[in-house]
Amino acid sequence: AQSVTQPDIHITVSEGASLELRCNYSYGATPYLFWYVQSPGQGLQLLLKYFSGDTLVQGIKGFEAEFKRSQSSFNLRKPSVHWSDAAEYFCAVQYGNKLVFGAGTILRVKS
Amino acid sequence: GAVVSQHPSRVICKSGTSVKIECRSLDFQATTMFWYRQFPKQSLMLMATSNEGSKATYEQGVEKDKFLINHASLTLSTLTVTSAHPEDSSFYICSASSVGALRETQYFGPGTRLLVL
Repeated sequence: AQSVTQPDIHITVSEGASLELRCNYSYGATPYLFWYVQSPGQGLQLLLKYFSGDTLVQGIKGFEAEFKRSQSSFNLRKPSVHWSDAAEYFCAVQYGNKLVFGAGTILRVKS
Repeated sequence: GAVVSQHPSRVICKSGTSVKIECRSLDFQATTMFWYRQFPKQSLMLMATSNEGSKATYEQGVEKDKFLINHASLTLSTLTVTSAHPEDSSFYICSASSVGALRETQYFGPGTRLLVL
């Protein structure tokens, strides 16, 4: 069955520090992978997506993610975190036309 | 582009009443819309998939008679929670994609917070 694991429920980083949010998936075929961000009480905003091609994907707000097939991973990174990045981040894999989401990682940014 | 709206953003209702939530794609035609439910501090769970002009496909465990979905046009889908009870209180989020092909991205609405008293 398709599944997405985000092993970190909470992460706290200092403003200006680098960030990496982990995501592992289980899917038999070529995965279509997404990262979304959700601010409190809001819907989801698409940060980036991977369908094929270059395994390093650039997204909005300075985020990037790298697809590693050998590790079944699609980790999200940002070189320098801003206080406005504090939010919850969801990794998702698409199968058919459905999305399966991970449990989410809450990012806290300390000044 | 790819903006999805939801109305209302927040609703409080009495137990036993029905509530309708609208989901609109503002600048594209959405052949497929999705309805999710999110409990506090949890991830999104897909409730149903609706294609314009046809019946919705519900996920296992979702009562189709309780959560009525209508996708009457390419820009509008509605979710009606019938005879709502306190356990139906949740955050409901819709998403929309065009064409319905495998690679189409889902764009999400801002969500509707439902509180049933």
